Amino acid sequence: DVVMIQSPLSLPVTLGQPASISCRSSGSLVHSDGNTYLSWFQQRPGQSPRRLIYKVSNRDSGVPDRFSGSGSGTDFTLEISRVEAEDVGVYYCMQGTLWPYTFGQGTKLEIK
Amino acid sequence: EVQLLESGGGLVQPGGSLRLSCAASGFTFSRFAMSWVRQAPGKGLEWVSGVRSTDGSTYYVDSVKGRFTISRDTSKNALYLQMNSLRAEDSAIYYCAKITTPYLRDGMDVWGQGTTVTVSS
Repeated sequence: DVVMIQSPLSLPVTLGQPASISCRSSGSLVHSDGNTYLSWFQQRPGQSPRRLIYKVSNRDSGVPDRFSGSGSGTDFTLEISRVEAEDVGVYYCMQGTLWPYTFGQGTKLEIK
Repeated sequence: EVQLLESGGGLVQPGGSLRLSCAASGFTFSRFAMSWVRQAPGKGLEWVSGVRSTDGSTYYVDSVKGRFTISRDTSKNALYLQMNSLRAEDSAIYYCAKITTPYLRDGMDVWGQGTTVTVSS
């Protein structure tokens, strides 16, 4: 199975400051169709997960543009340009290239 | 509005069975792949099973293969997960999730609120 490793696992951030989460896969996430199926999800406390980014860098509808995704191959990054209070929660990366699709361990973002 | 509403969770003894249901509304159910994702208490997310809409192909994580069965009824806009031979490690919140396209690899764009399964004697 493809292992997804996130870092850091805990991310204290000052309001208004940027934040960055890394996600590395144990194998290339480039699919045979040429796409890279790497998504990012946010799970606020007590809520269901919500997808923010799909295929590395495409923002879902309604996601603020302060969220951006980048990367290729095995290394990917989620960046938040200016953290707001509503961004508190756990962030997961997920690969959809090779079954079984797998999630990272999660990164808990909190406000300093 | 696109909505997914799970039901069927509860307390069951080890070795027992449960059937989870997910009622879908607000989109053309037959056109999209669907999945079940679980989250054990205080833990991360795990994709359990999925079904494509193109050909009905089903997929399972190894830990549930042979014990869980995913199915869909397009006439009722419903997704199901039949869980047999349940183990303590199956205890989790089970989320029903809609996939963006007919193919599972495109990931989930809509999630339900989840239903809790507890396996304990």
